[in-house]
Amino acid sequence: EVKLVESGGDLVQPGGSLRLSCTAFGFIFSSHWMHWVRQVPGKGLEWVSRSNNDQSDRTYAGSVKGRFTIARDNAKNTLYLQMNSLRAEDTAVYYCAREAVWSLDVWGQGTTVTVSS
Amino acid sequence: DIVMTQSPDSLTVSLGERATINCKSSQSLLDRSNNRNYLNWYQQKPGQPPRLLIYWSSTRESGVPDRFSGSGSGTDFTLTINSLQTEDVAVYYCQQYYTPPLTFGQGTRLEIK
Repeated sequence: EVKLVESGGDLVQPGGSLRLSCTAFGFIFSSHWMHWVRQVPGKGLEWVSRSNNDQSDRTYAGSVKGRFTIARDNAKNTLYLQMNSLRAEDTAVYYCAREAVWSLDVWGQGTTVTVSS
Repeated sequence: DIVMTQSPDSLTVSLGERATINCKSSQSLLDRSNNRNYLNWYQQKPGQPPRLLIYWSSTRESGVPDRFSGSGSGTDFTLTINSLQTEDVAVYYCQQYYTPPLTFGQGTRLEIK
């Protein structure tokens, strides 16, 4: 079964750091670009970041650039999102998603990040 | 950044009827070198992640019922759901992949009358 499983979401104080993980199952992880997308509960979807197959091309939304870093370990079939200098507005459900044909065709169930004191 | 604007914000349609959702981009999503529009549609049901319905503006993802169809080119796109079913109650999003940052429309909430 093709699936993505996120983990690492937690309650963290403003200014703190957190690392999210997304493990892939059932497909050749190294063949796909991968993305992070977030969603404030009850609100819309916001794209966060993407990485190409070998991390040589990594792109970020302006709202997270300089604070978040996307990374991947193809040997472990895992995508990461290192989040530093967290703000209240980073509170959201974070989804990882697989790219295919310039679309996001497989999504994880999401992991919740809450930034609050 | 490319701004994606959906209309309406919410929509109530009777069972078996047709629902139409519009999406407008602030710049063309058409790549003239291959005649493809980099516009996708997603469905999100409560408590679930988004599900890809349509890519390249009009190509249905595998497993998506054929009552879902996409159309449009350039800056104006439409998602049409024919013969509305109860399981179609969801929020629908358009999304551009013409150029990063990828951007989504604000979503359209579809309900059954």
